Amino acid sequence: SYVLTQPPSVSVAPGKTARITCGGNNIGSKSVHWYQQKPGQAPVLVIYYDSDRPSGIPERFSGSNSGNTATLTISRVEAGDEADYYCQVWDSSSDHPDVVFGGGTKLTVL
Amino acid sequence: QVQLVQSGAEVKKPGASVKVSCKASGYTFTGYYMHWVRQAPGQGLEWMGRINPNSGGTNYAQKFQGRVTMTRDTSISTAYMELSRLRSDDTAVYYCARDEIVGDPHFDYWGQGTLVTVSS
Repeated sequence: SYVLTQPPSVSVAPGKTARITCGGNNIGSKSVHWYQQKPGQAPVLVIYYDSDRPSGIPERFSGSNSGNTATLTISRVEAGDEADYYCQVWDSSSDHPDVVFGGGTKLTVL
Repeated sequence: QVQLVQSGAEVKKPGASVKVSCKASGYTFTGYYMHWVRQAPGQGLEWMGRINPNSGGTNYAQKFQGRVTMTRDTSISTAYMELSRLRSDDTAVYYCARDEIVGDPHFDYWGQGTLVTVSS
């Protein structure tokens, strides 16, 4: 089955740029979606189809996807961005299609 | 506005079954897949499967095949997820999440989650 690899943690100072990666075999050929999850809350979609932003998500959130790595970029990081972030793809390569999530990255705002 | 409202917390004994409901409002229930995702304490997200509320067709993750059943009642815009032969490692928060029927699955609205605790 398809595996998505995320760093367990990323730390960034307020006002700086955070980059959270999601690695997978030829992930650039798939569409990647990103979720933000704060403690005790349900996940929230922040990026879909690699780089599209749902309404209500700040422009500070952006995404890219190429080769074996997809990246969620958060510019001008704020304290309120501290959360767990998950990438997700649809793996239709086998005869048993699956939704696959990365292991999650905890973003700490210093 | 779109809302997915799930049933309340459950405590079950090992070997029992649990059935969680997810009532949808604010959109056409049959126009979107409903997925179920779970999250064990302190762990990541795990996909369990999906149901097409229009046809009733389902796709389950291989890990849960034979133990999970997803159904729906279109008359009350409600989806259900039943997990049988519960084990302690099934203790988790279970979420329903909406997905457009066209394109790659991704989840724009989520339920509030239902905590299922499996303990003897």
